[in-house]
Amino acid sequence: DGGITQSPKYLFRKEGQNVTLSCEQNLNHDAMYWYRQDPGQGLRLIYYSQIVNDFQKGDIAEGYSVSREKKESFPLTVTSAQKNPTAFYLCASSITASGEQFFGPGTRLTVL
Amino acid sequence: RKEVEQDPGPFNVPEGATVAFNCTYSNSASQSFFWYRQDCRKEPKLLMSVYSSGNEDGRFTAQLNRASQYISLLIRDSKLSDSATYLCVVKSISNFGNEKLTFGTGTRLTIIP
Repeated sequence: DGGITQSPKYLFRKEGQNVTLSCEQNLNHDAMYWYRQDPGQGLRLIYYSQIVNDFQKGDIAEGYSVSREKKESFPLTVTSAQKNPTAFYLCASSITASGEQFFGPGTRLTVL
Repeated sequence: RKEVEQDPGPFNVPEGATVAFNCTYSNSASQSFFWYRQDCRKEPKLLMSVYSSGNEDGRFTAQLNRASQYISLLIRDSKLSDSATYLCVVKSISNFGNEKLTFGTGTRLTIIP
């Protein structure tokens, strides 16, 4: 089955800890994205990558880091510097940077 | 002013009724427009693109008014399964020259039996 997977579905972490969210796609898409969604707000872009070994900051990159060592993988690290990390995190991919974006099922992160 | 604005709702509509959502956008250079559907605690999925001439997909009709900078979504003969949040999405060129999607906050629709 082709698609985008994110794990875990629910994640709890203590304040002050870094945590890495996984995003994998087997669609052979070049571009991948990370968004966060908060109640009452639209999705906001954290980081994106148009091609392997390259990535760019989105609108709210502070406190986050990413890597794109493989085409199919785009992990997001939420660092302790992120002041309000509790949110629903969505990964997406598109065949090119201009193509339709397909979303993974999301990871709901709660910081205790 | 938000780049993309939607009425958050909720819209509680009886089954079989027609419901319409509007969305306004602030960037007059925006290129493409979409409606996404998001079920509770799930990921957004593309419902339909919005074309300048207006377009229809079954019970769903999308319209674009570039002069007034708004797009609309009409759902006819609403079904219980239409209950979801509908996200207005606008594609434009960012300050860095790449394409970016801007999402509205979504309009929540509940169809009542």
